[in-house]
Amino acid sequence: GENVEQHPSTLSVQEGDSAVIKCTYSDSASNYFPWYKQELGKGPQLIIDIRSNVGEKKDQRIAVTLNKTAKHFSLHITETQPEDSAVYFCAGPMKTSYDKVIFGPGTSLSVIP
Amino acid sequence: EAGVAQSPRYKIIEKRQSVAFWCNPISGHATLYWYQQILGQGPKLLIQFQNNGVVDDSQLPKDRFSAERLKGVDSTLKIQPAKLEDSAVYLCASSPGRNQPQHFGDGTRLSIL
Repeated sequence: GENVEQHPSTLSVQEGDSAVIKCTYSDSASNYFPWYKQELGKGPQLIIDIRSNVGEKKDQRIAVTLNKTAKHFSLHITETQPEDSAVYFCAGPMKTSYDKVIFGPGTSLSVIP
Repeated sequence: EAGVAQSPRYKIIEKRQSVAFWCNPISGHATLYWYQQILGQGPKLLIQFQNNGVVDDSQLPKDRFSAERLKGVDSTLKIQPAKLEDSAVYLCASSPGRNQPQHFGDGTRLSIL
């Protein structure tokens, strides 16, 4: 069935180190792969997204890479800061429709000062 | 631009009571989503509207949940009667169109006693 897996579920890094979160999805024709950040008591906020016509996209300290053959995409955060501490969700395509997404279970990132 | 507005922020009711949530999307956004987020999990889509028509309500428990989007702008989500397992955060999101980035409100936290 439709499924989006996300690893790891929790991640602790020292301030200044890099963090990588990976998301895998089932087969689909969708071309849109977003990452969201959710802080306590807030709704998810889109931080970066990628479409299937490119393999990588960067925005300052954040990057997303896409491997459509292997059906996974990853979030990379460099030079982590305490304010990066939050829960991160990937959203992968639903098999039944190109324009709907399923959210992964989330990764709780803690950046230790 | 103003973000997605939701009210109330918190609601506490007893099981078997009814409750309603309200959402005002970003102006001009044609697509509106309601999600249920149980503690520790990713958001789960309940219903998706395109203007004032329902695109997908396959995961909406229709025996107790209902939603409407009159005039293609504001939307309400209702639960009647509530069950203990309905305790969650109910998130509303909007996007300019299908397969576009979603913008989330901060949600309504529902507690069922």
